[in-house]
Amino acid sequence: DGGITQSPKYLFRKEGQNVTLSCEQNLNHDAMYWYRQDPGQGLRLIYYSQIVNDFQKGDIAEGYSVSREKKESFPLTVTSAQKNPTAFYLCASSIDLGVLGYTFGSGTRLTVV
Amino acid sequence: AQTVTQSQPEMSVQEAETVTLSCTYDTSESDYYLFWYKQPPSRQMILVIRQEAYKQQNATENRFSVNFQKAAKSFSLKISDSQLGDAAMYFCAYRSADSNYKLTFGKGTLLTVNP
Repeated sequence: DGGITQSPKYLFRKEGQNVTLSCEQNLNHDAMYWYRQDPGQGLRLIYYSQIVNDFQKGDIAEGYSVSREKKESFPLTVTSAQKNPTAFYLCASSIDLGVLGYTFGSGTRLTVV
Repeated sequence: AQTVTQSQPEMSVQEAETVTLSCTYDTSESDYYLFWYKQPPSRQMILVIRQEAYKQQNATENRFSVNFQKAAKSFSLKISDSQLGDAAMYFCAYRSADSNYKLTFGKGTLLTVNP
């Protein structure tokens, strides 16, 4: 079945460390997105990519980095510059830049210890 | 910038009853798309229903329907014959019809379904 796979489901990071969250899709979607979800908040856009080798900052890109070397993959690195990285991270993709809506992965819960 | 407001942090409904979740949005655009997403305890986001602003007819998907009031910038979700599996966080989202890429989400409404 086609879908989006995020791994790991749970991730623990020590302060000062970089960590990479994986996102893979087999839907043949061109666009991919990373959102952050905090308790009591909606989803906030971190980065998005419309095509391979191109990506754009979203509303809260500071402290994060991404790459898009393959159509299927859009990994997110949470760097030590991110001051409050503990959150739930959702990856999504769309075939049409979101006009028909997004397909989401099951998320990664990142905790800084 | 567009904003999406869900004024009900929590709602509850009895099984088999009907519940309406509210959503308002702020935009100066005339063409856009609106969505309702469901996030159950598994935290997987699931698209429930979608509405195109240029269509006057309200979208329906089985037990789910919307009341789209463009002039009032209101987009409420009605769930009929509520089931225990409907218990979830529900998010309203807005997308501009132009080249703007992103979905803007409200903060969500937590729906509890009582047996």
